[in-house]
Amino acid sequence: EPEVTQTPSHQVTQMGQEVILRCVPISNHLYFYWYRQILGQKVEFLVSFYNNEISEKSEIFDDQFSVERPDGSNFTLKIRSTKLEDSAMYFCASSPLLLQGAGRSPLHFGNGTRLTVT
Amino acid sequence: AQSVTQPDIHITVSEGASLELRCNYSYGATPYLFWYVQSPGQGLQLLLKYFSGDTLVQGIKGFEAEFKRSQSSFNLRKPSVHWSDAAEYFCAVGLKAAGNKLTFGGGTRVLVKP
Repeated sequence: EPEVTQTPSHQVTQMGQEVILRCVPISNHLYFYWYRQILGQKVEFLVSFYNNEISEKSEIFDDQFSVERPDGSNFTLKIRSTKLEDSAMYFCASSPLLLQGAGRSPLHFGNGTRLTVT
Repeated sequence: AQSVTQPDIHITVSEGASLELRCNYSYGATPYLFWYVQSPGQGLQLLLKYFSGDTLVQGIKGFEAEFKRSQSSFNLRKPSVHWSDAAEYFCAVGLKAAGNKLTFGGGTRVLVKP
């Protein structure tokens, strides 16, 4: 079964550094997402992306965050200047259609990247 | 405010016993409902989903869930738990008006005793 793959599985970085988290969504999917889970807290929506642009973002997704689909297969999340509070598990997800579309397809999640900011 | 609540943070169950995980939501309209499972070191795997129709839905790994509109609940059940079911379980809600944005509950960690 096709999977969403994320690299790296763990990333340690120093405060103020830039990090790029990488994801390869399922190949025929059109919608891409990033969620995060701070340790002990809920999984939170960050951003959704469709047709090479952001379709929705949460208030967490401020100017230090950006997303990009640099080629036909990768989907990246960049954090420009990391803060301690950015330490979390970051999940990438994809879906072929919107929930309310004919397929009503749910999201497929990757295994996550654990980001630790020191 | 819109919310998803999983009242039980931890549940311990003996292998072979039944399991029920609770999920309540607070939304103005009937949402789309999901249960995901996260095994240690793994991502979020979809167990089952409810969009409309039959309120009892069957999922993978022998799980089922029942949507009860009157109680705003979508509880997950399994008649006989296996040791491999030890994991964290997340209820999630999507709204037609909110695209594919999901709102997750806080999760319930299930421990299985031999």
